[in-house]
Amino acid sequence: TQLLEQSPQFLSIQEGENLTVYCNSSSVFSSLQWYRQEPGEGPVLLVTVVTGGEVKKLKRLTFQFGDARKDSSLHITAAQPGDTGLYLCAGGNAGNMLTFGGGTRLMVKP
Amino acid sequence: EPEVTQTPSHQVTQMGQEVILRCVPISNHLYFYWYRQILGQKVEFLVSFYNNEISEKSEIFDDQFSVERPDGSNFTLKIRSTKLEDSAMYFCASSDRQGTDTGELFFGEGSRLTVL
Repeated sequence: TQLLEQSPQFLSIQEGENLTVYCNSSSVFSSLQWYRQEPGEGPVLLVTVVTGGEVKKLKRLTFQFGDARKDSSLHITAAQPGDTGLYLCAGGNAGNMLTFGGGTRLMVKP
Repeated sequence: EPEVTQTPSHQVTQMGQEVILRCVPISNHLYFYWYRQILGQKVEFLVSFYNNEISEKSEIFDDQFSVERPDGSNFTLKIRSTKLEDSAMYFCASSDRQGTDTGELFFGEGSRLTVL
């Protein structure tokens, strides 16, 4: 069974601060996706990384896939209150089955 | 913008009853999925469906569960003889291609099932 562990589970920071969320596994994944989930809604895809060492940027969000494709990180620069939400990582393999991490609940205070 | 729609948004049922959760995937998508999220726990894969048959299923998806695409637009999850532990948010998702490396899963807003 593949597992993905996310850390931290909860993060409360002030507007303007930087933060990093980690997603770790002992298993190799062919792709790693990051989602954001708002209350009462389904997860919405932010990014997919597929190559070991790959870095993708989405405005103030930087996503990295580990060289061995077992881990990933999400870094947010100068966080804003609008970044508040639940961030989920999910690993994919052959087929379309995703293994989700437990999520990081981020709160950015103005 | 195309979206995955799910009904009902919330269903309350008595233990032992049968429940059908309905989903309308994005119209040109070919791959369909059900995931569930028990309150406070991880999102878990249940089943994937392509070309009118199950392509993958998890250990959770036992004989109590079944899926169907009855009319070319709806995709349903049936839970027979519900148990208390079936209480969860059930998410439907669809994709236009195989493989999470190239395909994006679009999730619906979920159906909350409460079993009393």
